[in-house]
Amino acid sequence: QLVLTQSPSASASLGASVKLTCTLSSGHSGYAIAWHQQQPEKGPRYLMKVKSDGSHSRGDGISARFSGSSSGAERYLSISSLQSEDEADYYCQTWGTGMVFGGGTKLTVL
Amino acid sequence: QVQLVQSGSELKKPGASVKVSCKASGYTFTNHHMNWVRQAPGQGLEWMGWINANTGNPTYAQGFTGRFVFSLDTSVSTAYLQISSLKAEDTAVYYCARVSDYGDAFDIWGQGTMVTVSS
Repeated sequence: QLVLTQSPSASASLGASVKLTCTLSSGHSGYAIAWHQQQPEKGPRYLMKVKSDGSHSRGDGISARFSGSSSGAERYLSISSLQSEDEADYYCQTWGTGMVFGGGTKLTVL
Repeated sequence: QVQLVQSGSELKKPGASVKVSCKASGYTFTNHHMNWVRQAPGQGLEWMGWINANTGNPTYAQGFTGRFVFSLDTSVSTAYLQISSLKAEDTAVYYCARVSDYGDAFDIWGQGTMVTVSS
């Protein structure tokens, strides 16, 4: 079964960098995923797609402070030079016979 | 610019029905299938299913069969979600989301429609 696993929370200081992880279930390490950001009281926004080879493609207007990478079954979202507006929930998404979301990671900017 | 604009918040009584709209602009509506996603209060995103923007054929995820209906009106570039026999547990924000050119990730989201079911 295709499942995405995310840590419930993460934190980092203003101006620092952070790396969020999304783990694909066993047997699905070749899948690409997408990252979405949901700021408080707002709808989700597409950030990027990350492939199994580590390549990523950002959505229109997404800052270069956001980047993606991969290692095995793990897909990462890195955010550099953290700003207060980066405090949000981050969801990974993948697609197989249907769409699947991870449980989300709440990022706190200290 | 490419956008999806959803209808406003709804307050309904248990047993009633609701129809949420999602109007697309800035792109050819029939080139991108439309998905629906539910987010219950304080919870994560839950995929409800999708509708083929060319044929109008819907596919429902597990747990969203029976009371949920996806439809389209291509003449006004609008997708609809109808929920019947509403229950308190249907209280959630409902999002429409467009599938990308590659048919995979959701690259454009609507702003969400809050549906509250309460007596």
